[in-house]
Amino acid sequence: QKEVEQDPGPLSVPEGAIVSLNCTYSNSAFQYFMWYRQYSRKGPELLMYTYSSGNKEDGRFTAQVDKSSKYISLFIRDSQPSDSATYLCAIDPSGAGSYQLTFGKGTKLSVIP
Amino acid sequence: DTEVTQTPKHLVMGMTNKKSLKCEQHMGHRAMYWYKQKAKKPPELMFVYSYEKLSINESVPSRFSPECPNSSLLNLHLHALQPEDSALYLCASSQGNMGHYEQYFGPGTRLTVT
Repeated sequence: QKEVEQDPGPLSVPEGAIVSLNCTYSNSAFQYFMWYRQYSRKGPELLMYTYSSGNKEDGRFTAQVDKSSKYISLFIRDSQPSDSATYLCAIDPSGAGSYQLTFGKGTKLSVIP
Repeated sequence: DTEVTQTPKHLVMGMTNKKSLKCEQHMGHRAMYWYKQKAKKPPELMFVYSYEKLSINESVPSRFSPECPNSSLLNLHLHALQPEDSALYLCASSQGNMGHYEQYFGPGTRLTVT
């Protein structure tokens, strides 16, 4: 079983829709959960991270961790065409704060005007 | 300045060539990374330097040789590459002691091996 699984999509939504992006992970010891956004032909950029469980909100973005089901989610409200990108979830597989991140495959999102 | 710069943006090299990729950051970060990313795949970690010392080498072939001359610079020396090494090579940096999950990525060097 892979450490983190993510549906690669692609996902296409109309402008203004609520987007839900999801990943599952394998080890309950994981503590750090990240979401990166990667535009075409660019490097990834960190959107949000959560430590342990719960929700974290930043503007139109909400990151959620459900440790009981080993499920992490990113919600985008009022999606915009500028949100069109590949979204990568990432975990720290050591569970202890190492330098290594394991990325999901990424979900390609298109927001249609 | 939250920018990581990488040069060159594009590189085409033959299998017998020797070339180097360069990465620079001026955020005072003490951890620097090299990743390899193939099309429609996530980044794969290659090397990590922590305080200018190589701390992680993910069983990368010896035709890739990293170097960290100082805390702001990271190089990746390439020699005798194979066509399957064609990919986007990403450099990233993060704070040394904590915040490793907050990695700042450069735009990458798109490498083609002919």
